[in-house]
Amino acid sequence: GEDVEQSLFLSVREGDSSVINCTYTDSSSTYLYWYKQEPGAGLQLLTYIFSNMDMKQDQRLTVLLNKKDKHLSLRIADTQTGDSAIYFCAESIGGSQGNLIFGKGTKLSVKP
Amino acid sequence: GAVVSQHPSRVICKSGTSVKIECRSLDFQATTMFWYRQFPKQSLMLMATSNEGSKATYEQGVEKDKFLINHASLTLSTLTVTSAHPEDSSFYICSARDYRTSGVQFFGPGTRLTVL
Repeated sequence: GEDVEQSLFLSVREGDSSVINCTYTDSSSTYLYWYKQEPGAGLQLLTYIFSNMDMKQDQRLTVLLNKKDKHLSLRIADTQTGDSAIYFCAESIGGSQGNLIFGKGTKLSVKP
Repeated sequence: GAVVSQHPSRVICKSGTSVKIECRSLDFQATTMFWYRQFPKQSLMLMATSNEGSKATYEQGVEKDKFLINHASLTLSTLTVTSAHPEDSSFYICSARDYRTSGVQFFGPGTRLTVL
């Protein structure tokens, strides 16, 4: 079945870059997403990438997609303490209107 | 981005009572909304898909008579947890699909349900 895998933890120092990796299994996924969840809160959409794109950049965020290897990454430049949160990778199954399959989330800890 | 609200944000109730959670899309119309459940330190589990004007589609293992979903308008879906028990305690999050942005799902802030 469909599956999304992420490493569970990442720790970086303030000012460094963070790279959160994700692998997915559904080759028909048309959209891949990154969501951020702070403690006790809902999910905030950070960015998403269409499957025919290799890279998307939005301010401090860069998403890289390797469709051949089904690998997605999120790079956060100049990581700040406010970036500490859980980051979820998700793929849409069956096209853009499909349901989302989430990874287990990567907990990013930013040390001052 | 699109804004989705949930109400209440936190509820504590006694075992056996029913609890209603509202999910609203504030600045867009959503023909499709989703209800998720999240256990501590775990990912989101899709419970059901709520379609405006029709019956909800439940995921396998989710009791439709226990988790009643109503999507009466294009901006409101409700989840009612009937005869709640302590094992229903969880974080419930809704999302709404915004077709203006290729069907991206925007999430509400979540509702923390505690059943005593």
